[in-house]
Amino acid sequence: GQQLNQSPQSMFIQEGEDVSMNCTSSSIFNTWLWYKQDPGEGPVLLIALYKAGELTSNGRLTAQFGITRKDSFLNISASIPSDVGIYFCAGLGSSNTGKLIFGQGTTLQVKP
Amino acid sequence: DVKVTQSSRYLVKRTGEKVFLECVQDMDHENMFWYRQDPGLGLRLIYFSYDVKMKEKGDIPEGYSVSREKKERFSLILESASTNQTSMYLCASSFAGFGYTFGSGTRLTVV
Repeated sequence: GQQLNQSPQSMFIQEGEDVSMNCTSSSIFNTWLWYKQDPGEGPVLLIALYKAGELTSNGRLTAQFGITRKDSFLNISASIPSDVGIYFCAGLGSSNTGKLIFGQGTTLQVKP
Repeated sequence: DVKVTQSSRYLVKRTGEKVFLECVQDMDHENMFWYRQDPGLGLRLIYFSYDVKMKEKGDIPEGYSVSREKKERFSLILESASTNQTSMYLCASSFAGFGYTFGSGTRLTVV
């Protein structure tokens, strides 16, 4: 099935560092979403982006919907140990099934 | 807040058993989805449903079936469990045009 290209696959950083991850696609999306999955839990929505060029923040998280509608990035500033988990991007196209297309995920580990 | 509840967090079943995974959502969402998650393979869509009694195959439907008799409940059925179906199973629901709300997942082990 169709998937988004998410990078990097994994990151191992020091507490306090900033983190950046991104997703690209060959298809246009109308909505971009970023989820975080804590170990052993289901993914939880962090940020939703609905308009090309939109830049949205949620605490230390900032995400942008690319102008071309084919990409998005997520930044985490001043990382802390509880940022550990898997981050997924997801895109929603124009089909009426409501089916999301997911990236492969970025696994983040934070060293205290 | 929307709640998506999966009936079991952990399950251990024997090869050949028929297995039912249940998912219930409480916000009248039209769409419901079943994914499996395996290390290195991301989230793979098994089946989804956009209305009662409606179902569509996802990317990996083989060995699975689903049932949606009521809007709030979407069941995943493993007809004859096999060891390669050992995985984390995630249920999600949504209104069309919006993001999913996921359940906490069911970790299934088939021995």
